[in-house]
Amino acid sequence: AQKVTQAQTEISVVEKEDVTLDCVYETRDTTYYLFWYKQPPSGELVFLIRRNSFDEQNEISGRYSWNFQKSTSSFNITITASQVVDSAVYFCALSERGNAGNMLTFGGGTRLMVKP
Amino acid sequence: DTAVSQTPKYLVTQMGNDKSIKCEQNLGHDTMYWYKQDSKKFLKIMFSYNNKELIINETVPNRFSPKSPDKAHLNLHINSLELGDSAVYFCASSQELRGDTQYFGPGTRLTVL
Repeated sequence: AQKVTQAQTEISVVEKEDVTLDCVYETRDTTYYLFWYKQPPSGELVFLIRRNSFDEQNEISGRYSWNFQKSTSSFNITITASQVVDSAVYFCALSERGNAGNMLTFGGGTRLMVKP
Repeated sequence: DTAVSQTPKYLVTQMGNDKSIKCEQNLGHDTMYWYKQDSKKFLKIMFSYNNKELIINETVPNRFSPKSPDKAHLNLHINSLELGDSAVYFCASSQELRGDTQYFGPGTRLTVL
C-alpha cells in the first residue's frame, strides 16, 4: 500500500529565509510518480511539480528547488528567500503506476507561515 | 478561462437532503476525479472516472455517486446527507490515466446542518 508522510505539520519562518519541506513516501511499485501541490489561504490546489521514479535529477524553478532521493524515499522541496505570498499548506502526493485509477495519495500537508 | 470549474462554491444544506456538485473541465482531458478534504486538511480520493470506467475508493459510502454526462463533466451526487459529509470537495482532471498530473478545481465547501 502506498503512503506519504509529511512529518512537519507547521513551519514558521521570517521573510527571506530559506525553508525545506520534507516528504517521505512508501510504495511497493517500481514505477511511481511524485507531486507537490500548494494550497494558499484562498483554498485552491495549485500544481507545482511532478517527478517519475526514474528521474532523480533535481530541479530548480525560480525560488523552488526539489530534491528527489530514491535511496531514502524522500522528495523534498526548498523555497529560497521565502516571501509572505509563499504562506500556504504544501502537499506531497504519490501515484503508483499499478494503481488502476491513477489515484493520488496525499501526505497530511505542511503549513508554511512566512512572517514579514 | 477556468480549466476546471465547480459549482456551487458553497453549499449549505440540512441533514437527510440530496445534493449535487457539478464539475466541468475544458482541458480536453480523459480522466476526472473527486477528492474530499476534511476539516484537518487531509485529502482523500473518492473516485476516478476514465472512458466510462469508474474506479471507486472502497471507503466511500454508496450514498455518493459520480455521474458523467460526457467526457468534460463529472458531477457528484450525494444522497441522505450526514453531518460527517461536511468537507471541501475537489474535482480534478488529467490527460492520461497513469501518473499524469491532475489539475484541480477551486473546491466546493459543503456544510451539513
